[in-house]
Amino acid sequence: QKEVEQNSGPLSVPEGAIASLNCTYSDRVSQSFFWYRQYSGKSPELIMSIYSNGDKEDGRFTAQLNKASQYVSLLIRDSQPSDSATYLCAVNKYSTLTFGKGTMLLVSP
Amino acid sequence: TAGITQAPTSQILAAGRSMTLRCTQDMRHNAMYWYRQDLGLGLRLIHYSNTAGTTGKGEVPDGYSVSRANTDDFPLTLASAVPSQTSVYFCASSQQGEVTEAFFGQGTRLTVV
Repeated sequence: QKEVEQNSGPLSVPEGAIASLNCTYSDRVSQSFFWYRQYSGKSPELIMSIYSNGDKEDGRFTAQLNKASQYVSLLIRDSQPSDSATYLCAVNKYSTLTFGKGTMLLVSP
Repeated sequence: TAGITQAPTSQILAAGRSMTLRCTQDMRHNAMYWYRQDLGLGLRLIHYSNTAGTTGKGEVPDGYSVSRANTDDFPLTLASAVPSQTSVYFCASSQQGEVTEAFFGQGTRLTVV
């Protein structure tokens, strides 16, 4: 089993819809979790971090963490075409980050 | 603000040649990382350093070496490049701890021919 798993997508949503991105991880030692956005040809950009069970909201983004189920998700409300990118889930274990392969999100106007 | 600077931005390298990818950060982060990103394989950790003077191996360390003489610089050296090292290389840094929010440089696109 991969340490961090994401559906590769693409996930296609219309403009204004809610995009839901999911990630599972295998190691219960993991303590902190991150979502990065990567535009084509660019470097990953940190958009959300979450450390405790529950929800964390920042503008149009909500990260959700369920440590019992080893599951973390990212919701993007009112999706915009500019949100079209690959979203990487990252998990911190022993002070190094392990990344999933990413989910491509396409938001159509 | 500079953040993390990588050089060069891109490079074509003949197989068998050596090369050093440079990475400098001005955020006074104590931890630094090198990742490679390949289509279908995602970001994979090559080497890391939790503090100046220490380094560790990541998931794919073979063929690469690093050094961390000071807080700001973390060069990655390919001693004898092979075509399988063709990739995009990202340097990142973070304030080490339980919360490891890492920030990335702009990347180096390396092609080994």
